[in-house]
Formats: sequence, C-alpha cells, structure tokens
Amino acid sequence: SQQGEEDPQALSIQEGENATMNCSYKTSINNLQWYRQNSGRGLVHLILIRSNEREKHSGRLRVTLDTSKKSSSLLITASRAADTASYFCATRNAGNMLTFGGGTRLMVKP
Amino acid sequence: DGGITQSPKYLFRKEGQNVTLSCEQNLNHDAMYWYRQDPGQGLRLIYYSQIVNDFQKGDIAEGYSVSREKKESFPLTVTSAQKNPTAFYLCASSIFRWGARGDNQPQHFGDGTRLSIL
Repeated sequence: SQQGEEDPQALSIQEGENATMNCSYKTSINNLQWYRQNSGRGLVHLILIRSNEREKHSGRLRVTLDTSKKSSSLLITASRAADTASYFCATRNAGNMLTFGGGTRLMVKP
Repeated sequence: DGGITQSPKYLFRKEGQNVTLSCEQNLNHDAMYWYRQDPGQGLRLIYYSQIVNDFQKGDIAEGYSVSREKKESFPLTVTSAQKNPTAFYLCASSIFRWGARGDNQPQHFGDGTRLSIL
C-alpha cells in the first residue's frame, strides 16, 4: 500500500526554472526520504529529512517537511536538462518497510 | 567500486516457464529487497531479507520466490504462477539496524531487469 503520494504526477519546465514537487503521506513518520530515477535505471537516494527537521538543503535541492500537514516538498533550483527524471518520496510503513509514492515525472527542456 | 549488480538487463519469459533474476551486492549490506515497478508507477515490495537464510513476504509476493543463501546474493524467481510478470524489477540493499536506527538507512538500487512475456 502506498504511504506517500506525489503531486504533480508530471511537470515540464524550462532550464533555469525552479521545480517543486510535493509529497503527502498518511501516518506518522520518523523521517522521509527522496529518491531520483533516471529513465530505465534504478533509484538513487537524494536526501533524508527527519521528523524533527523542517528544512534541509543539499546543493540545489531543498526539502521541507510539515508533519502537521503530513506533507513534504522537494525544490530543485536552477534546473538543468540533466535533472530530467522521476522523483519519489518514501516513508516507513507499519512493518518498517520503505513505501514509495507514484512519483513525479520531471522534464526540463533545454 | 561497491554497488549492486542486476542481471540480465532484459529477460523474456515463455508461457509456463520459471525465470530467475540475479542480484549481487558488494556493499556488505545485511538487508536486501526486491521491488516491482509497472509503467508510470511507484515501487511495490515483493520480498525482503534482513539476514542470510531468512526472508519475508512483501506486499505482492504471490507468484514469486526468493532465496538468501549468501549475504551478497538475493535471486528472485518469477514462477509460472505469476500471470502478469511483465514489469521492471529492481533490487536494493541497505544497512540493517534494529529499531529507530534502522529508519535512517537509505536503500541502494541496482539498474533493474526488464521482464517481458514472449
């Protein structure tokens, strides 16, 4: 069962613009992770934010977490064509297994 | 370089045939996982193993089987009982820690096997 749901399902922007993706989840969490998947490849871990953190940065990535709204957002600033990929949020379910959302497919046009 | 290797990259299954997907890791991770991904969808957990000689069913285990005889290897067999096997299969591994410390361990993924029916 999916714990996290990403929004939008697809996003198309021009190079240099910022891309924002949102993730909503259902139950309380200890942390939330974001992953990236290039077409036809495996997932790559991007960033983890703990439940007691509100914001975290890594390079051009900024992740926020609002536990009261059970939501997280991933912002990619100054996007590049190489950022074209699918982005997934993941949280732990009751069985302590990672549960992934359906993903946001980001296309960055050069 | 440490990582996870999945093979083959593409696999075709005939009617009534069992096929086995290979997953090997040299990251010294205790935990390994198999996921299924359908087009445009997220990942669904098939099986996972936290220690050698032990594994547990995930959300969609029916029609699949696994073994964990070695720490480095976690092969997945797609049996003839799986009537809709066409999908992208991803293997992952992670450090395993009991309790809350286990929550923070990211998973490392292979590059997948794409399985189709002939």
